[in-house]
Amino acid sequence: AAGVIQSPRHLIKEKRETATLKCYPIPRHDTVYWYQQGPGQDPQFLISFYEKMQSDKGSIPDRFSAQQFSDYHSELNMSSLELGDSALYFCASSLGPGGPFSGANVLTFGAGSRLTVL
Amino acid sequence: GNSVTQMEGPVTLSEEAFLTINCTYTATGYPSLFWYVQYPGEGLQLLLKATKADDKGSNKGFEATYRKETTSFHLEKGSVQVSDSAVYFCALRKNSNSGYALNFGKGTSLLVTP
Repeated sequence: AAGVIQSPRHLIKEKRETATLKCYPIPRHDTVYWYQQGPGQDPQFLISFYEKMQSDKGSIPDRFSAQQFSDYHSELNMSSLELGDSALYFCASSLGPGGPFSGANVLTFGAGSRLTVL
Repeated sequence: GNSVTQMEGPVTLSEEAFLTINCTYTATGYPSLFWYVQYPGEGLQLLLKATKADDKGSNKGFEATYRKETTSFHLEKGSVQVSDSAVYFCALRKNSNSGYALNFGKGTSLLVTP
């Protein structure tokens, strides 16, 4: 079965540079989520999109932005990179988000993109 | 707000031992509850879920029961294997028309030794 595809898998950048991560959701999934996981930390929710509109916002820095395109893939743009941005960035997708039982819709995660800022 | 609290690790067990990883939650309304597992160097994989009180999620020998009265969703397995060594995350998700994301606990690292 097709899974969530993230690219690139590994990325090395210098401080103050920019980076773009891409996420391709499972076919027919209309919602994507971005998470940041620092070393030894739990995943922190950044932002999500449903039908190309922002649906929820977490702890995403102002230096970061994201969007969802007409084919439902999403891109996370990170500018003015800092050392502390070094982390594993996960994308997840699901069906939803609407409906009273939307919470039961499972999020399927990609393998992650590892960003290292030097 | 919504939050999940897990027991701190690491947890080290011998093969075939009984496993319990405690998880309690704080949420308004009636969230759905999940356990995700992360193997070294890999992404998060759904292990099991429960969507309402008294539901029991189960998969690969793991079980967790949604206990509303104690706001808990403890993960259990009767006999662990070396291959179960991983980090386990408890998570909740509100049921809402707005589509909330998952809130994760801090994760519990499990090491199973032969």
